[in-house]
Amino acid sequence: AQKITQTQPGMFVQEKEAVTLDCTYDTSDPSYGLFWYKQPSSGEMIFLIYQGSYDQQNATEGRYSLNFQKARKSANLVISASQLGDSAMYFCAMREWGNTPLVFGKGTRLSVIA
Amino acid sequence: DVKVTQSSRYLVKRTGEKVFLECVQDMDHENMFWYRQDPGLGLRLIYFSYDVKMKEKGDIPEGYSVSREKKERFSLILESASTNQTSMYLCASSHRGQVNTEAFFGQGTRLTVV
Repeated sequence: AQKITQTQPGMFVQEKEAVTLDCTYDTSDPSYGLFWYKQPSSGEMIFLIYQGSYDQQNATEGRYSLNFQKARKSANLVISASQLGDSAMYFCAMREWGNTPLVFGKGTRLSVIA
Repeated sequence: DVKVTQSSRYLVKRTGEKVFLECVQDMDHENMFWYRQDPGLGLRLIYFSYDVKMKEKGDIPEGYSVSREKKERFSLILESASTNQTSMYLCASSHRGQVNTEAFFGQGTRLTVV
């Protein structure tokens, strides 16, 4: 069964607007971590933001915030004030308890339009 | 600057060749990973290693093997390359740890098998 689901293969957003990238996950572990990575066309994976399953508040990092809804098992990434440089692939990932690898979703390609 | 370095950005190999993809990290990380990235499929785990000479199969190990003789180096081996192994290969490393442990990625190797 797929553990990370990203249902939006591609998204468009106008420059300076906010955009939400969806991510749902599936785990029976009470302790887990959720990550978002950005992959520009150059190929490198850039870590953006982290949310722990026990964190009481939604994570924020600059223009990035994570809308964490534990009961719904969703961890959506919100990018505020989109910039042209935000155009990239975005991957949601999860790490379960223990020394386990990151499991990734299929990604969402975001295109920011001037 | 912490680094995960993959030996090649682009590689073209012939069907049936034995192919080595090398990855080196300078962060003294215990864990190292090899992922394969294909359009529409996201990142899929091939193998990971949590210690020298230790390895674990990921989701798609068929046709691949790995070697970890030194802590900083993790090699992916295609014993007999086939055209369906044409893909982007990403190496990553992380500390052994908890759910909040971030993984650091190399720049990727785009392999074409002809």
